[in-house]
Amino acid sequence: DGGITQSPKYLFRKEGQNVTLSCEQNLNHDAMYWYRQDPGQGLRLIYYSQIVNDFQKGDIAEGYSVSREKKESFPLTVTSAQKNPTAFYLCASRQGQSSYEQYFGPGTRLTVT
Amino acid sequence: AQSVTQLGSHVSVSEGALVLLRCNYSSSVPPYLFWYVQYPNQGLQLLLKYTSAATLVKGINGFEAEFKKSETSFHLTKPSAHMSDAAEYFCAVSVQTGANNLFFGTGTRLTVIP
Repeated sequence: DGGITQSPKYLFRKEGQNVTLSCEQNLNHDAMYWYRQDPGQGLRLIYYSQIVNDFQKGDIAEGYSVSREKKESFPLTVTSAQKNPTAFYLCASRQGQSSYEQYFGPGTRLTVT
Repeated sequence: AQSVTQLGSHVSVSEGALVLLRCNYSSSVPPYLFWYVQYPNQGLQLLLKYTSAATLVKGINGFEAEFKKSETSFHLTKPSAHMSDAAEYFCAVSVQTGANNLFFGTGTRLTVIP
């Protein structure tokens, strides 16, 4: 089955630790995205990548980093510089330049204490 | 710049009643519009999309939406609510740019009362 995989589903970390969230897609989509979701705030864009080895900051990139070394993978690192990292993180992908809809993974809930 | 406003963060309907979730958009160029549904602790699932073809768009699970340019609206409707429709619904807008990013509303939580 084609789709987007995010692992793990739940992640717990101590304050001050960096943590990397995984996102893998086997849809052969060109673009990939990371969003953060907090209650009542909808989805906010963290980073996106339209091609391998290239990515752009979204609206709330501070305290986060990404890489895009392979077309199918777009890991997100939440660094210790992120002030409020506890949130639900969603990864998405889009097929190509002529498409607009994004397809989402199941999400990772990160809790930092 | 593009933006979306969803009126009503919470909507409650009785089972079997009409579902109406409101979405208004702002865009200086012709938009592409989407409705997504999210069940608790899950990702978003595409319900339907408007991409400049027919203004009345039918989606999955019996939902449909109508694009009204004069009202800058894209409201989501379903004639008869089912218990399984209880979820959070997001409206999103995109325009043709290099990035084709989506801009999301803040969501509407739908409760279905038995």
